[in-house]
Amino acid sequence: GESVGLHLPTLSVQEGDNSIINCAYSNSASDYFIWYKQESGKGPQFIIDIRSNMDKRQGQRVTVLLNKTVKHLSLQIAATQPGDSAVYFCAENWSNFGNEKLTFGTGTRLTIIP
Amino acid sequence: DAMVIQNPRYQVTQFGKPVTLSCSQTLNHNVMYWYQQKSSQAPKLLFHYYDKDFNNEADTPDNFQSRRPNTSFCFLDIRSPGLGDAAMYLCATSRPHWTSGGPGQGTQYFGPGTRLLVL
Repeated sequence: GESVGLHLPTLSVQEGDNSIINCAYSNSASDYFIWYKQESGKGPQFIIDIRSNMDKRQGQRVTVLLNKTVKHLSLQIAATQPGDSAVYFCAENWSNFGNEKLTFGTGTRLTIIP
Repeated sequence: DAMVIQNPRYQVTQFGKPVTLSCSQTLNHNVMYWYQQKSSQAPKLLFHYYDKDFNNEADTPDNFQSRRPNTSFCFLDIRSPGLGDAAMYLCATSRPHWTSGGPGQGTQYFGPGTRLLVL
């Protein structure tokens, strides 16, 4: 079946360095992609999103890149801080006349080393 | 502030004893979702409502039911909890993104979750 997967389950980055979290998706009909951050014991928190008609979108310290040719999504976090330590999920959204479904990837645990 | 609220944050129940988890939202979103999330796993969609239309995932056990009496509230009922139902239960809301004017409008917004423990 269709799936969203992440290449790396864990990632450790020195504080202040940049981090890149990668994600592969397989549903070519997906038209909207979202990155969520989930801290321990909390619900997923929206970070940034991108529509399929874009290939790059920037936020505050975060950038999402979308490569539809190879069905790849990445999240770049610049100048990482201790508060960036969390599990990051990519998710693809597929909608059919209001019947919206979000499929999550397996998650990457990002640890920022002080 | 507009938000998604889940009560209680922690729920302990006994094996086989029915339990209800609640979710409310002040975002006035059409769509409400219930997810189950087990440790170190991604959230798994159980079902969702688009307004009053209920959409069940094919692999959601019959033990799980849901009610949405109005736009603001949605309930998850577990009729006979088993040990395998211990998990974090997440509620989320959204407006369909194809009705929105741009990025960030159609995403799902999650509540803090209810952690269910089954004894």
